[in-house]
Formats: sequence, C-alpha cells, structure tokens
Amino acid sequence: DIQMTQSPSSLSASVGDRVTITCRASQSISTYVNWYQQKPGKVPKLLMYAASSLESGVPSRFSGSGSGTDFTLNISSLQPEDFATYYCQQTYSAPWAFGQGTKVEIK
Amino acid sequence: QLQLQESGPGLVKPSETLSLTCTVSGGSVSRNSYYWGWVRQPPGKGLEWIAIIYYTGSTYYNPSLKSRATISVDTSKNQFSLNLTSVTAADTAVYYCANPGRGYTYGFDPWGQGTLVTVSS
Repeated sequence: DIQMTQSPSSLSASVGDRVTITCRASQSISTYVNWYQQKPGKVPKLLMYAASSLESGVPSRFSGSGSGTDFTLNISSLQPEDFATYYCQQTYSAPWAFGQGTKVEIK
Repeated sequence: QLQLQESGPGLVKPSETLSLTCTVSGGSVSRNSYYWGWVRQPPGKGLEWIAIIYYTGSTYYNPSLKSRATISVDTSKNQFSLNLTSVTAADTAVYYCANPGRGYTYGFDPWGQGTLVTVSS
C-alpha cells in the first residue's frame, strides 16, 4: 500500500503569510494527488486535483505542485478563512490513502 | 448538479453490522465511468478511505478493515451502500459518501454531509 506522509502536522501562521504544506508518497505516484480543506464540523472540500489543477471556485492564492513522490500545497497569502486542516490523498492505486492532515492555526 | 445524502442508524451495538446508504440525486449511480466511495473520520482524527465501487461493479477496499466492509450499488433506487460487520468502538466515526469524479485523479467531490455512527452497547 502507498503511504502519504504530510508535514508539518500543524503550523501557526499569521494572516498574509505564505504557507507551504508538504506531502510525500512512499513510492512514485506521478501526479495522482488531491488536496482537501476541512474546517471544524464541516465536510472536506476538494481544493486541488491532479497535483496542480485548481478546483473551480477555489481562490488562486492556493496552488499545488509536484510529481513522483513529493508534493506541495502553497497558500500565497493566508486569509482568515484559510485556517483549517488540509489533507493530501493519493489515487494512484487502491487503497486511496489520505495523509494524516496538517492543521493551520492562527499565530 | 450531483448531490449525495447518507442515511442509516446513528447507534450500532458492538459485534453487529453497520449499514449505511447514500442516495444520489442529480445524476445516475450507473453512469458510465463513475466511481462512488465511502470515507470515515473518527472523532478528532483524520480522514480514512474505506472503499470505492466502479460503475462496472468492481470494488476496492481498505485492507485495514480486514474484509469487514462491503460496498454495493442499487441502481433501482439510485443508491449505493456500505456494510461493515463485527463493529467495535474503533468504528465510531462520521461516515461520508462521496463521488470520486474530479479529473483523472478522481478527486472526491461532491461529498454527503456525513453521518455520525456510534458503536456502543
């Protein structure tokens, strides 16, 4: 099975900061990575698919990159509504595992 | 647009079977090239992928569930379902159904609103 390891598990940042979240796959998975945002008590929301394709309606301050084993989700200028937990997911082969999540908190 | 809604009991006794249904509206559950899936989230923890089913009937499961899970489709009701046998307290979670349909990497969207299932006697 392919494991997805996110780092950091949590971070504190201020409004306006640039934030980078990393996800590493245990083997090469091309660009078969999706990213989700989840706010407390809410349904996960798809942000990015195919590593770098922005889902419709998602602000352009979010961007994704990577292929192979290393992937990043960037938020160029953190906004108050971006404080949430972010998950990566691989869909290269079943089981389509999620990373353990990165909680972005207010500094 | 596609909408999903989970239904099922909120409380299940240990060793019994958890049965959930996801009703699909705005599209057909038998649509060509579609997957349907289940994800769960224990209280305070991360997302766990459970299973998916392809429109052909092919199924894929998380091996961590040790063959306790079964996903199926009922085309007559435009629903898909999850059965999880021999549940324990560790199966207490919010269960989401979702459509892995965005792009070639099957991003999960949309999701149901989630249903909390508690395993307790």
